[in-house]
Amino acid sequence: AQKVTQAQTEISVVEKEDVTLDCVYETRDTTYYLFWYKQPPSGELVFLIRRNSFDEQNEISGRYSWNFQKSTSSFNFTITASQVVDSAVYFCARCPRSGGYQKVTFGTGTKLQVIP
Amino acid sequence: NAGVTQTPKFRVLKTGQSMTLLCAQDMNHEYMYWYRQDPGMGLRLIHYSVGEGTTAKGEVPDGYNVSRLKKQNFLLGLESAAPSQTSVYFCASSPGAITGELFFGEGSRLTVL
Repeated sequence: AQKVTQAQTEISVVEKEDVTLDCVYETRDTTYYLFWYKQPPSGELVFLIRRNSFDEQNEISGRYSWNFQKSTSSFNFTITASQVVDSAVYFCARCPRSGGYQKVTFGTGTKLQVIP
Repeated sequence: NAGVTQTPKFRVLKTGQSMTLLCAQDMNHEYMYWYRQDPGMGLRLIHYSVGEGTTAKGEVPDGYNVSRLKKQNFLLGLESAAPSQTSVYFCASSPGAITGELFFGEGSRLTVL
């Protein structure tokens, strides 16, 4: 199985600090998609971003930014000026472009706690 | 905007009992999925469906059955529940195989005693 590794199990930061969540993936696919999902304490999974493997541009959305480095098979997620509402479990995922969502592989998640 | 709705949200079963989880989506999506989430293991695909009347096995199908008699509904059944099936179950849907976003329901927490 082609794994997605989120080595950080839990991270605690003080509000307003920046925090980076790491994601490293294995793949034998030429083209694939990468995702980040947020799971707040209420339990639902919220889609954050989808990135195509041939688009290596970094992306910024408000306080969120993503750094995709194909050479190191990493897709890291940074939250700038963290807020208490950012406290959640964050999942990184990978899916081959040809396989469909049934082939998506999720990481084990990183639990982020933002302390006021 | 209901999106993906799962019922029930919580259930406690005794070993050997049966139950059905219902997933309903109102987005006219073709594809639907059932996942389970266990501590330290992320989400794992149980079964999925690529359209009304179709189902297929995912990564961890044993002990579960599914049915998709209507496009908007995807049912997950446990015929004889086991403690190993204690988990949080998520339903998801997508408009196509890889097009659009994978939308998730709010999860159903199942405890098997």
